[in-house]
Amino acid sequence: DTAVSQTPKYLVTQMGNDKSIKCEQNLGHDTMYWYKQDSKKFLKIMFSYNNKELIINETVPNRFSPKSPDKAHLNLHINSLELGDSAVYFCASSPDREYNEKLFFGSGTQLSVL
Amino acid sequence: KQEVTQIPAALSVPEGENLVLNCSFTDSAIYNLQWFRQDPGKGLTSLLLIQSSQREQTSGRLNASLDKSSGRSTLYIAASQPGDSATYLCAVKSGSARQLTFGSGTQLTVLP
Repeated sequence: DTAVSQTPKYLVTQMGNDKSIKCEQNLGHDTMYWYKQDSKKFLKIMFSYNNKELIINETVPNRFSPKSPDKAHLNLHINSLELGDSAVYFCASSPDREYNEKLFFGSGTQLSVL
Repeated sequence: KQEVTQIPAALSVPEGENLVLNCSFTDSAIYNLQWFRQDPGKGLTSLLLIQSSQREQTSGRLNASLDKSSGRSTLYIAASQPGDSATYLCAVKSGSARQLTFGSGTQLTVLP
């Protein structure tokens, strides 16, 4: 009964490829997020998205695009992968981004770009 | 721009010790502060959430305090156990976008 699940857990691919990471939450939350954790373990927000609004972090290259077919899913599509995209990507959700609620995280997707 | 710092980066203690992890942030205009635990190969688990109007939160052997004016928080772990070994991350929610800014974590090892 995983609350926030993301697939795949590991993703190894060649530079220049396009790949997607899927995320689903069964908590009934309105808001979902994508975070990137770099080699120094810093977690940085990439996107937050609720059923009303997509908020794009301006530091994220436009090769990264979130896609949300419904409020329980937020997939991350990455075009033209680069070596620097190698990191662990975490999906998360919360009841509402406006209020001070806890975040629930998925177990992460380790992306390695060769 | 909010910056979050955690000291020490790594900590090793014998089982049974009480310990304190530190977190500092540069912009005191925060909505809340959360402490997370991250186990290797797994996601983050929220341990404690302190609202900006609160001074502390407790859950079992964990106690987190918040001094917003000085930009500091501590996570106190009582009677540490080997199962407490993990990386502990502090994150603050601030700014008009209400985004979380994370520290780089403290890697805790509790030796049996």
